[in-house]
Amino acid sequence: GAVVSQHPSWVICKSGTSVKIECRSLDFQATTMFWYRQFPKQSLMLMATSNEGSKATYEQGVEKDKFLINHASLTLSTLTVTSAHPEDSSFYICSALPLVAGGPQETQYFGPGTRLLVL
Amino acid sequence: AQSVTQPDIHITVSEGASLELRCNYSYGATPYLFWYVQSPGQGLQLLLKYFSGDTLVQGIKGFEAEFKRSQSSFNLRKPSVHWSDAAEYFCAVGPYNTDKLIFGTGTRLQVFP
Repeated sequence: GAVVSQHPSWVICKSGTSVKIECRSLDFQATTMFWYRQFPKQSLMLMATSNEGSKATYEQGVEKDKFLINHASLTLSTLTVTSAHPEDSSFYICSALPLVAGGPQETQYFGPGTRLLVL
Repeated sequence: AQSVTQPDIHITVSEGASLELRCNYSYGATPYLFWYVQSPGQGLQLLLKYFSGDTLVQGIKGFEAEFKRSQSSFNLRKPSVHWSDAAEYFCAVGPYNTDKLIFGTGTRLQVFP
C-alpha cells in the first residue's frame, strides 16, 4: 500500500528556534498534502492544505507566517515551525492525496506523525 | 457547520466480544465517510470508506460500517474483537467537493483478554 513518511519522528527544541518537519510520499506522487495538528486526547485539526507548486491554503486561525509550508515536489512537503514556543508543542501529522486521473475522491494516506516539544 | 461526533471517548471490551463504535455527522449533503485507526507510533490507517452505493461497507481487519442517512450515522462494527484491535479509532467526513477531512474526537478501544 501507499506509504507516507515523516521526519523526524520526534524533536525537542528550545523556545525561539525553528523546526522543519518533512513529509514524503514514498511510492506515489501527491499534488496535495495536508498538515494536521493533534493535541493529546483530541482529534486531528487540519492546519493547511499544501499543493505542489503553489502557495499553501491555511485554515482559519492558523498563522501562515508561523507555520511555513513548502511543497517543492510531488513527493515532498515541509512544515517549518518558526520561532517555536512551548504552546506549539504538539503532534503534527501529514497526509498525502495520490495523484489520480479522475474519478471519485481518492483516499488520503497518513504519515506516522512528528512529536514536537518546545522547551 | 460540518462536524463529526464520536460520543464514546473510551470503550472497553473483552476479547472475542462484539464491538460497535458510534459516529454521527452533521453535513448538508451526502458526505464521504471514513473510519481510521491510529496505533501508537503509526500513522492513521484507513479501515473503510463510504462514497455511495451499498450502505453496508466492508473494510480491512474484519470491520464493517453502515451508513444510515436518516440517522446521520456511520457506526463501525466488528463481530469479534481481537487484542490487537486496541487502538484509537477516528471517524471522518470529507465533503464531496473538497479533499479536506473533518475528524471526530476519537474513541479509544481497550481490549481485555
